[in-house]
Amino acid sequence: DGGITQSPKYLFRKEGQNVTLSCEQNLNHDAMYWYRQDPGQGLRLIYYSQIVNDFQKGDIAEGYSVSREKKESFPLTVTSAQKNPTAFYLCASSISDRINAYNEQFFGPGTRLTVL
Amino acid sequence: AQTVTQSQPEMSVQEAETVTLSCTYDTSESDYYLFWYKQPPSRQMILVIRQEAYKQQNATENRFSVNFQKAAKSFSLKISDSQLGDAAMYFCAYRTSFGAGSYQLTFGKGTKLSVIP
Repeated sequence: DGGITQSPKYLFRKEGQNVTLSCEQNLNHDAMYWYRQDPGQGLRLIYYSQIVNDFQKGDIAEGYSVSREKKESFPLTVTSAQKNPTAFYLCASSISDRINAYNEQFFGPGTRLTVL
Repeated sequence: AQTVTQSQPEMSVQEAETVTLSCTYDTSESDYYLFWYKQPPSRQMILVIRQEAYKQQNATENRFSVNFQKAAKSFSLKISDSQLGDAAMYFCAYRTSFGAGSYQLTFGKGTKLSVIP
């Protein structure tokens, strides 16, 4: 089955530690995204990548970093510089608006990060 | 920057009845895409329905349909014959069709829908 996987489902981190969230897709999608979701809020874009070895900052990139070394993978590192990292993190992917004009995004199941 | 507003934080509907969720957005563009996503308690985001601004006809997917009013910048979601499985958070989202921004979705804050048996 094609889809997006995120691991782990729950993650606990001590203050001052960096932590990396995994996102893998086997949909052959070009673009991948990371969102943060807080209670009572919509999703906010952290980073996105249109192609391998290229990525752009979203609205709330401070304290986060990403890499895109493979088409299938787009890991997100939450650094100690992120002031309030406790949140639900969602990864998404889309094919390309050159192929599908709607370029709708498909989401993974998410990772809940808690800073202790 | 575009903004998306969902003015109803919570709504409820009786099973088998119809409910309409509101969404308005602010944009100066003429071509764009609109989406409704559903997030059930599992928190998996699921695409419900999509609409392109240039298409006059309202999109329909089984029991889900939209009322797209371009001049009013309104994109409401109607759920007919509501089922218990429809209980979820519903998010309205906007995407521009031009340039690098075409990869960015702007979400509303969501409407929590409860379905009463």
